Amino acid sequence: DIQMTQSPSSVSASVGDRVTITCRASQGISVWLAWFQQKPGKAPKLLIFAASSLQSGVPSRFSGSGSGTDFTLTINNLQPEDFATYYCQQAHSFPPTFGQGTTLEIK
Amino acid sequence: EVQLVESGGDFVKPGGSLRLSCAASGFTFANAWMSWVRQAPGKGLQWVGRVKSKVDGGTADYATPVKGRLTISRDDSKNMVYLQMSSLKTEDTAMYYCTTGAGSAYKRHWGQGTLVTVSS
Repeated sequence: DIQMTQSPSSVSASVGDRVTITCRASQGISVWLAWFQQKPGKAPKLLIFAASSLQSGVPSRFSGSGSGTDFTLTINNLQPEDFATYYCQQAHSFPPTFGQGTTLEIK
Repeated sequence: EVQLVESGGDFVKPGGSLRLSCAASGFTFANAWMSWVRQAPGKGLQWVGRVKSKVDGGTADYATPVKGRLTISRDDSKNMVYLQMSSLKTEDTAMYYCTTGAGSAYKRHWGQGTLVTVSS
């Protein structure tokens, strides 16, 4: 199975900040990567697919980049509603696998 | 509007069985691959398994930890997908989500989840 490793595990930031979360795959996955946001008690929400494509309805302050094994999720101008846990997931090889999550907390 | 509504979660003893259901609407269900993803309390997301559309063979695939104990099936006439769980273990305790890309490789749509608790 492809292992997905996110860093950091948690990050503190303030409203208006820019935050970057990284995700590394244990082998090349081209651009077959998604990013999800999950708030407490809620289902995950797809933010980014194909590494850099913004899902419909997701604010443009969210962006994704990368290919191969290294990927980043960047959130510009953090808003209060962005404080949540973020997961990457590879869709390149069976079985699909998730990163362990990055919790974005208010500083 | 796509909707996925899970049901069937309950409190069961180790070794017990349970069937989860997911009612789907708002997309062409027969063409969609349907997956289950679970999340243990305070933990991350874990893919459990999927069932392909009938046109793609209709077969199911499973994550190694659940292989042989969980069975995913679908009823295209009812727009339903099921997760039959047997020989349940305490480590199966989790929120179980039904999810689909509805034609995409990416899990665009998720249900609200149904909670399974396995404890003596």
